[in-house]
Amino acid sequence: QKEVEQDPGPLSVPEGAIVSLNCTYSNSAFQYFMWYRQYSRKGPELLMYTYSSGNKEDGRFTAQVDKSSKYISLFIRDSQPSDSATYLCAMKKTGANSKLTFGKGITLSVRP
Amino acid sequence: DTGVSQDPRHKITKRGQNVTFRCDPISEHNRLYWYRQTLGQGPEFLTYFQNEAQLEKSRLLSDRFSAERPKGSFSTLEIQRTEQGDSAMYLCASAREYEQFFGPGTRLTVL
Repeated sequence: QKEVEQDPGPLSVPEGAIVSLNCTYSNSAFQYFMWYRQYSRKGPELLMYTYSSGNKEDGRFTAQVDKSSKYISLFIRDSQPSDSATYLCAMKKTGANSKLTFGKGITLSVRP
Repeated sequence: DTGVSQDPRHKITKRGQNVTFRCDPISEHNRLYWYRQTLGQGPEFLTYFQNEAQLEKSRLLSDRFSAERPKGSFSTLEIQRTEQGDSAMYLCASAREYEQFFGPGTRLTVL
């Protein structure tokens, strides 16, 4: 079993829909949680960064972390065709130098 | 554009050849990471530098792989005697604190 599991895709939604992307993890040492967006043939771009449990909002994006359930989510409100990309969850342990452990990624397509 | 640059962006090579990739991190960032990403998978950690010191290497980094970061600035990743299984996107990320910023990657194809 992988340390980080991400819901399989692909996911296709109409423009304006609310999108929910989820990851689960098994290692309780993970303390920092990120969401990256990756367009085709590009490097990952950091979207949201959260420490420990709780919610964080940035514009149309909300990240949620539930450490008791080892479950993280990214919500996208009023989805736009420009949101079409692969979304990767990533996690790291305490210690600024520790590596990121990624989920497989889910490809989102927002239909106009 | 995150400010992390990688060169080349694409590399096609024949099996058995050596290849070298370069990463230029954000100038004030002292931490630099290399990851490898294959199709349909998330990036996997290869190695990590703090300044010029290589502090961690993954088991994925076989003897054919070597990485350097002379003077704590740019970094190079060399693959010797390439194999078809080395075909992947090689990503570099730099960090000052906890957030890692990725470059555009080098896509390697081994024929």
